[in-house]
Amino acid sequence: AQSVTQPDIHITVSEGASLELRCNYSYGATPYLFWYVQSPGQGLQLLLKYFSGDTLVQGIKGFEAEFKRSQSSFNLRKPSVHWSDAAEYFCARYNFNKFYFGSGTKLNVKP
Amino acid sequence: DAGVIQSPRHEVTEMGQEVTLRCKPISGHDYLFWYRQTMMRGLELLIYFNNNVPIDDSGMPEDRFSAKMPNASFSTLKIQPSEPRDSAVYFCASRRGDTNTGELFFGEGSRLTVL
Repeated sequence: AQSVTQPDIHITVSEGASLELRCNYSYGATPYLFWYVQSPGQGLQLLLKYFSGDTLVQGIKGFEAEFKRSQSSFNLRKPSVHWSDAAEYFCARYNFNKFYFGSGTKLNVKP
Repeated sequence: DAGVIQSPRHEVTEMGQEVTLRCKPISGHDYLFWYRQTMMRGLELLIYFNNNVPIDDSGMPEDRFSAKMPNASFSTLKIQPSEPRDSAVYFCASRRGDTNTGELFFGEGSRLTVL
């Protein structure tokens, strides 16, 4: 079955520190992968997406993600976290009109 | 563009009552999705429509749940009768149909509490 795994439920980083959120996917050839962010009480907003081509993709708010086929991973990174980045982050895979979401990673940012 | 619009944002009701959640997708989007989000189960796809036709409703929990899309700009998700375990945030999302890789645009959700 198709699945997306986010192994970290909660992560806490200090403001200004770097961030990496992990995402692993299973099944299939070239996946269509996404990262979404959800602020409290809000819907999900797209951060970035990967379809093909350059394996390092840039997104909004200074985020980037790298697709690594050999590791079946699509990790999200940011070099310097801001307090406003505190939110929940979802990795998703798209296939045949369906989006399969990971369970999410909640990011806390310490002052 | 106004984005995906959902109403109500919050609904508190008593067990056994009928609940209707509403969604207006982004104009020009051919696909509409209903998701449910809970702490225990995360984001679950309930049903999706293409050009107002239900394509896959395999995620609908049971017969108490029904969804309609009478036209391209409006969809409803109805729960009758509601139960406490239906308490969740229900999201509507839409996307364009002219690409196989189109992103989903989410509404802000309807938070349902069934007492």
